[in-house]
Amino acid sequence: EPEVTQTPSHQVTQMGQEVILRCVPISNHLYFYWYRQILGQKVEFLVSFYNNEISEKSEIFDDQFSVERPDGSNFTLKIRSTKLEDSAMYFCASTPSGAVDTQYFGPGTRLTVL
Amino acid sequence: GQNIDQPTEMTATEGAIVQINCTYQTSGFNGLFWYQQHAGEAPTFLSYNVLDGLEEKGRFSSFLSRSKGYSYLLLKELQMKDSASYLCAPRGQTGGFKTIFGAGTRLFVKA
Repeated sequence: EPEVTQTPSHQVTQMGQEVILRCVPISNHLYFYWYRQILGQKVEFLVSFYNNEISEKSEIFDDQFSVERPDGSNFTLKIRSTKLEDSAMYFCASTPSGAVDTQYFGPGTRLTVL
Repeated sequence: GQNIDQPTEMTATEGAIVQINCTYQTSGFNGLFWYQQHAGEAPTFLSYNVLDGLEEKGRFSSFLSRSKGYSYLLLKELQMKDSASYLCAPRGQTGGFKTIFGAGTRLFVKA
C-alpha cells in the first residue's frame, strides 16, 4: 500500500540554523499539508498546498517558514532561522483530491533545536 | 472560531465497548476525521464522516450529526493495543481543506 514518507526521522540543529524537512507524498495525490505537534500538545495545522501554491496557512506559519515542491515527488518545509520553540514533530500529509478524501500522514520528523 | 471538545482521558476494560464523544464548532465544515495516535507516532486514519449517520468499519464505528456539531467514535471488543490517543478532527471547506485537531482522548485499556 502506498504511503507518505519523510526524511530525516530525527533532525538536531542549533538555534538560528536553517533546516529543510522532506516529504514524499503518495503519488497522484494533489493536496499536501504540513502539521506540527509539540511534545504533549495537540497536532497543529501549518500549511496546505495545492497546484504549486499555498492554499492556506496558519498564524504559526510566519516568514520563517516556506514550502516548496521542487519536483514531481518531493514536498519540503524550510525553517530559515530555527528557534527553541520550533522543536516538535513535523508531519507531512497528503490527500488524493481534497474535500471527500482520506488524509494520510507520514511518520514524522522529530526536530530538536538546541 | 474553532472549538473542539473531547474528554481528556477514559479507561475501559479489555473486551468492553467504549464511546468517545466529540463536539465541535468550526467556521466551515466539510467532514470529520477520527485518528488514532500512539505515543511518539504519527496519527493513523480510522474514519472520515461527511454525511450524518453511523459508519461501521470492523471493531470501529463513527457517528456524525452535522446539525448538532457532534460526533462519536465507538470501539468494540477492546484490546490492549487500543490503548492510545484518539483525535477528533473536523475538516474545513476552503483553503485546501485543512484539518483542525482536538487535544485528543487518551484511552487506557486494562486487563
